Amino acid sequence: GAGVSQSPRYKVAKRGQDVALRCDPISGHVSLFWYQQALGQGPEFLTYFQNEAQLDKSGLPSDRFFAERPEGSVSTLKIQRTQQEDSAVYLCASSESGGAVGELFFGEGSRLTVL
Amino acid sequence: GESVGLHLPTLSVQEGDNSIINCAYSNSASDYFIWYKQESGKGPQFIIDIRSNMDKRQGQRVTVLLNKTVKHLSLQIAATQPGDSAVYFCAENTDTDKLIFGTGTRLQVFP
Repeated sequence: GAGVSQSPRYKVAKRGQDVALRCDPISGHVSLFWYQQALGQGPEFLTYFQNEAQLDKSGLPSDRFFAERPEGSVSTLKIQRTQQEDSAVYLCASSESGGAVGELFFGEGSRLTVL
Repeated sequence: GESVGLHLPTLSVQEGDNSIINCAYSNSASDYFIWYKQESGKGPQFIIDIRSNMDKRQGQRVTVLLNKTVKHLSLQIAATQPGDSAVYFCAENTDTDKLIFGTGTRLQVFP
């Protein structure tokens, strides 16, 4: 497809379960970002990749959150031992160049609900 | 679709009128600003950006104004249409790899 694709669109997990969220960025895009969006809030930065290198993970809320982009294209955000406060929409974005300057193309997000 | 936010500030305008959405940003060192539009159940969509060395930038039906003195950003939408109904976010960047998003404003367009 032409845009950023995320899966699953919806995920319901029981507290304590592990989840994995996938992002397929636009082909050839160098930069990939993960954001977390709570209901009624703006997106909050989680982590940033330039190609396969994770250059910034300062926004990851705890060591239960882990992201990877091993081949510089598809990325996975993994959350271990999910908690209710992890419930949010997780947005992936990609851009053609490095950094957050210029147009970021966002996916539709993965909505995680932790029961 | 699902709501992006339930208790956001809301601007209601009549179709055909002009809309002005305001944003106060937090960091005086920010040098790049962007407006995003987010429809229900979708990811944010880039509208327009502006660098700190500019005061005004125009796009198609949209204008962004930047006032660095009071750290204020506004988005003007001309001849607002029903398709403009969405939540609008301003975002700032301080020469880093992360955008800092504001809390958003819901724009409702009624006939």
